[in-house]
Amino acid sequence: KAGVTQTPRYLIKTRGQQVTLSCSPISGHRSVSWYQQTPGQGLQFLFEYFSETQRNKGNFPGRFSGRQFSNSRSEMNVSTLELGDSALYLCASSRPEGGNEQFFGPGTRLTVL
Amino acid sequence: AQRVTQPEKLLSVFKGAPVELKCNYSYSGSPELFWYVQYSRQRLQLLLRHISRESIKGFTADLNKGETSFHLKKPFAQEEDSAMYYCALAQGGSEKLVFGKGTKLTVNP
Repeated sequence: KAGVTQTPRYLIKTRGQQVTLSCSPISGHRSVSWYQQTPGQGLQFLFEYFSETQRNKGNFPGRFSGRQFSNSRSEMNVSTLELGDSALYLCASSRPEGGNEQFFGPGTRLTVL
Repeated sequence: AQRVTQPEKLLSVFKGAPVELKCNYSYSGSPELFWYVQYSRQRLQLLLRHISRESIKGFTADLNKGETSFHLKKPFAQEEDSAMYYCALAQGGSEKLVFGKGTKLTVNP
């Protein structure tokens, strides 16, 4: 089974721009979660989608948003980028009845200049 | 609020020595606890979870509700155990994981 894939792997943007990151879950997984990883704050939960609905949300500003499509693929968007948004963004997928075992993608490294 | 604390940022042991990575949590309900591991240049992956009560790669972890701890232990460390270890907590039934800051384990030859 192919693992979770994320595109692009690396991204460089400037302040004020917006960015869209994509995540394709493992086939059959319907839950997709997003995390931000930084050296200072570690891994922080952004949001989780299941059956195209946001089921959980972390403590991030409204500039961070996401969506999920009918094939379970997910995108997250960050608008009006700030320097502090530079981070590794990880996507994870899980089966609905998976007991919370999450399978992580390789991440997208976002650098904001 | 849910919180996970891993007090050691770095931990260094010699091969064959016992190792214990500490994890304490704060949560008012019934938590589900996990250990995730990230080897060099690999993805974050699940190592074990408390509900399974199993040993993976020689590692075990016991949930101690009285001390709100979920320490990871291995009696004899191997060099291939060198990695970043994250303790994580989830509310029952939720996919949202709250991670600790992680402990970098180095096993020296």
